[in-house]
Order: sequence, then C-alpha cells, then structure tokens
Amino acid sequence: GAVVSQHPSWVICKSGTSVKIECRSLDFQATTMFWYRQFPKQSLMLMATSNEGSKATYEQGVEKDKFLINHASLTLSTLTVTSAHPEDSSFYICSARDSARDRDSPLHFGNGTRLTVT
Amino acid sequence: EDKVVQSPLSLVVHEGDTVTLNCSYEVTNFRSLLWYKQEKKAPTFLFMLTSSGIEKKSGRLSSILDKKELFSILNITATQTGDSAVYLCAVRTGTASKLTFGTGTRLQVTL
Repeated sequence: GAVVSQHPSWVICKSGTSVKIECRSLDFQATTMFWYRQFPKQSLMLMATSNEGSKATYEQGVEKDKFLINHASLTLSTLTVTSAHPEDSSFYICSARDSARDRDSPLHFGNGTRLTVT
Repeated sequence: EDKVVQSPLSLVVHEGDTVTLNCSYEVTNFRSLLWYKQEKKAPTFLFMLTSSGIEKKSGRLSSILDKKELFSILNITATQTGDSAVYLCAVRTGTASKLTFGTGTRLQVTL
C-alpha cells in the first residue's frame, strides 16, 4: 500500500536553531502534501498545503517565514522550522495524496516528527 | 470557518461493549467525511463517506453519514483492548482536498 516516510521521527534542538523535517512518498507520486501540527491530547491542525513546483498555501495564523515549506519533487516535501522556540515544540505530521488516484482518495500519513525545543 | 466537532471527548468501556462515536460538522463545499484511528503515531484510515445513508462496514466497525443533519457516527461492536485509540473524524472540503479534523474521541477499552 501507499507509504509515507517522515524523518526524523524525533528531534531535540536548542532555541534559535532551525530544524528540517522531510516527508517522502515512497511508492507513489504526490503533487500535493499537507503539513499538520498536533499538540498533546488535541487534534491535528492543518498548517499548510504543499504544492510541487509552486509556493505552499498557509492556513490563517501560520507564519510562512517561520515554517518554510519546499516541495521540489513529486515525492518529497520539507518543512523547516526556523529560529525554533520552545513554543514550537509539538508533533508535526505530513500527509500526501496519490496523484494517480482521484482527488477524493484518502490521504496517507507519515509517522510524525516530535520536535522538542529546549 | 470550517468546524468539525466530535463527541464524546473520551470514553472508557469494558471489552465486549458496543460504542458509538459521533461527529458533526459545519463546513463549506463538503466533499467527503473520513474516519481515522490514531494510536501512537500516524492516523490510519478507516472509512470514507460521501453519500448519505449508505453504511460502510469493516469487521466490527461500521460508519454512516447523514448529509442533511450534517453528522456521522462510527460504531464499534464487541470492543477489544486493541480498539483503544483516538478516533479522528475529518471532513474534506474544496478543490484542494483539504482535511479539517475534529478534536477526536479517546476510547479506552478495559478488560
């Protein structure tokens, strides 16, 4: 079945540094990927829609300069948390839709990245 | 603003019980409603519903959508401890296939 690989699965970084998270679709192509953020015991909040070869679309309230998204190929999207602060500590999950399937096919999720900023 | 509300927020039942989880929504440009199960990491897909009144079934799990009343239910019969998880309801809207998630229902099945 469709697999989405997210790396790293967890990362600890110091305040002020940047962290890059990768999301890869392993056996399908994804022109669109989505980045979510999940706080403890809360639901997934959509941060941005990543579009291959074009700029990402950010949800209201999400700082595009802080959360840089690059979708340079049909199988890879990256999220870079720049100048991380402790309040950025969270669980980040990506999801992808198989471009070969219709628009209403289910999204496939990565295993998430737990970011802790000290 | 699109809104998806799930109830109850949490639930503790005994193994063998039947549970019903609720999801109501207020969105523009509805396309479909999806149920996911999240244990520790990635949500895993359970059902996708697009039409009212047609039950989808997979083993002990079943789900149905009411597009007039804007809600869906997820039923789990003969619950097992392995059913313990957070169940997420999500509504897909618009041409971008964006998913808006509900708050989730945390289900705990005890022996």
